[in-house]
Amino acid sequence: DAMVIQNPRYQVTQFGKPVTLSCSQTLNHNVMYWYQQKSSQAPKLLFHYYDKDFNNEADTPDNFQSRRPNTSFCFLDIRSPGLGDAAMYLCATRGHLSSYNEQFFGPGTRLTVL
Amino acid sequence: LAKTTQPISMDSYEGQEVNITCSHNNIATNDYITWYQQFPSQGPRFIIQGYKTKVTNEVASLFIPADRKSSTLSLPRVSLSDTAVYYCLVGDYSGGYNKLIFGAGTRLAVHP
Repeated sequence: DAMVIQNPRYQVTQFGKPVTLSCSQTLNHNVMYWYQQKSSQAPKLLFHYYDKDFNNEADTPDNFQSRRPNTSFCFLDIRSPGLGDAAMYLCATRGHLSSYNEQFFGPGTRLTVL
Repeated sequence: LAKTTQPISMDSYEGQEVNITCSHNNIATNDYITWYQQFPSQGPRFIIQGYKTKVTNEVASLFIPADRKSSTLSLPRVSLSDTAVYYCLVGDYSGGYNKLIFGAGTRLAVHP
């Protein structure tokens, strides 16, 4: 089945130790998004790619970076994780044929910072 | 960006119809109204989307009055598995890109 895959599902890192989260998709969608969702809060958009065109949200900290080497893969790099970065990180995609506001979400990666 | 306001939580019982209303007073002419469902430890899932009047699919119905300043998600005959957070969103289509801004959502608890 076509889907959005996130690895790992659970990630533990130490304070200040760089960490990379990955997302892959078999939907061949041109738009990919990264969201941060803290406990009991709504998902918050960090940035998105329209093909290779990167779009950062104004309030996304510089500590968060992203790479999209090809259509299928997208990475979220947290350069120096702090305790406040502990959250669920969600990847989503959208394609040309998707309904207007329809995004396809992966299961998320839960990040713990020790 | 149009903001949305919806109840923080709702309780229901199995077999009942649940209606969750969302207000979006500043909705723009070209905005669609979309609802997502999120179970614990999972990503949100698209449920339904509409522009005006009524939309129905196999999961839910969406009612949108003529002024489009509010919308109501209707879940017929809920079951325990419908316990989730439901988000109402008004999409921002800016510069050719599509962004979703999630509000606080409504936590629906379905009881036996």
